[in-house]
Amino acid sequence: QKEVEQNSGPLSVPEGAIASLNCTYSDRGSQSFFWYRQYSGKSPELIMFIYSNGDKEDGRFTAQLNKASQYVSLLIRDSQPSDSATYLCAADSGGYQKVTFGIGTKLQVIP
Amino acid sequence: NAGVTQTPKFQVLKTGQSMTLQCAQDMNHNSMYWYRQDPGMGLRLIYYSASEGTTDKGEVPNGYNVSRLNKREFSLRLESAAPSQTSVYFCASSGIGTVNAYEQYFGPGTRLTVT
Repeated sequence: QKEVEQNSGPLSVPEGAIASLNCTYSDRGSQSFFWYRQYSGKSPELIMFIYSNGDKEDGRFTAQLNKASQYVSLLIRDSQPSDSATYLCAADSGGYQKVTFGIGTKLQVIP
Repeated sequence: NAGVTQTPKFQVLKTGQSMTLQCAQDMNHNSMYWYRQDPGMGLRLIYYSASEGTTDKGEVPNGYNVSRLNKREFSLRLESAAPSQTSVYFCASSGIGTVNAYEQYFGPGTRLTVT
């Protein structure tokens, strides 16, 4: 069973701080990794994807991938109350464009 | 361009009743998916369709059937609803036109309660 593991949280950070969200995956064959944001009562939306070791930056968001450690992280700089949501980590899982999702980490940004 | 649409948005069923959840996408994607999302369980794949005319089981297919009617539409049927099928159901699609072929676009979800 291919797994993606996340701490469900909640992770509470003060406004303006850096939020660090982490995820590990079990399938060494996974090549692509995704971070989805899901507001309460809404559907997931993709905010970052990464497929190379190292960092990928997009605005206030940085995704980090370490394939040797099977570890993916998402950093959110200058966190805002509007970043309060559940963040789902996902990894591709064996063809046909399937992905496996983690349970999500709930982030609370405190004003 | 509506993206992925789902109907209905909300539904209440009695145990044993049947219903079909509808999903359509207008992005010319090959692959479509049905997930359920339960508290503490994350998104779990029920069925997926890699292309028109093909369907395959995901992680939790029992109690469900699907039909890939054409490239745009992918329906999920509950033949005899059970309280354990109370959940939020999401349809998603991916494929041609996405930055990464694995990137999935989600519909707004159907909130189903089985009493």
